[in-house]
Amino acid sequence: EIVMTQSPATLSVSPGERATLSCRASQSVRSNLAWYQQKPGQAPTLLIYDASTRATGIPARFSGSGSGTEFTLTISSLQSEDFAVYYCQQCNDWFWTFGQGTKVEIK
Amino acid sequence: EMQLVESGGGLVQPGGSLRLSCAASGFTFSSYWMHWVRQAPGEGLVWVSRLNGDGSSTNYADSVKGRFTISRDNAKNTLYLQMNSLRAEDTAVYYCAKRADAAGVLDFWGQGTLVTVSS
Repeated sequence: EIVMTQSPATLSVSPGERATLSCRASQSVRSNLAWYQQKPGQAPTLLIYDASTRATGIPARFSGSGSGTEFTLTISSLQSEDFAVYYCQQCNDWFWTFGQGTKVEIK
Repeated sequence: EMQLVESGGGLVQPGGSLRLSCAASGFTFSSYWMHWVRQAPGEGLVWVSRLNGDGSSTNYADSVKGRFTISRDNAKNTLYLQMNSLRAEDTAVYYCAKRADAAGVLDFWGQGTLVTVSS
């Protein structure tokens, strides 16, 4: 099983500031990495796939980077609707695994 | 408009069974791999199972293998998850989700149905 580790667990950011979220894989997943956003009481929504490709309708302030074992999700200027939990997920292995999540909260 | 609507959740005793359904609309259901993902209260996302478009290929997480069965009825545009020998640790919101065209990710999710296993 590929273990996905996200850091930090909680990120306190002021609106308008940049947020940088990290995800590390226990072995290489190449670029087979996605990011999802989940708001309280809602289902996850896909933000980024193939490590850096924004999903349909996702604003340009969301960007992904990385390959192999180290990945980053950057939100360039946080809007009120961006405060949520973010999960990374690898699909390199048949057994898909998610990170434990990073909660982005208002500072 | 694409929709996935789960149903069938509820309270069940340990050792009991439950069948979840996921009604799909707004896309060509039979063309897509479909997945179940669960989320225990206050916890993260855990992939459970997948099924290909014609129902001939399945995969399961080790934690549910032998107890859960994924299936589909393409005539009814519905995905199922039969859950047997339920345990307290199976308590979670269960989401059905559609695999994306271009990548091994889930590009659309239902709102989930809560399964509670407790005596």
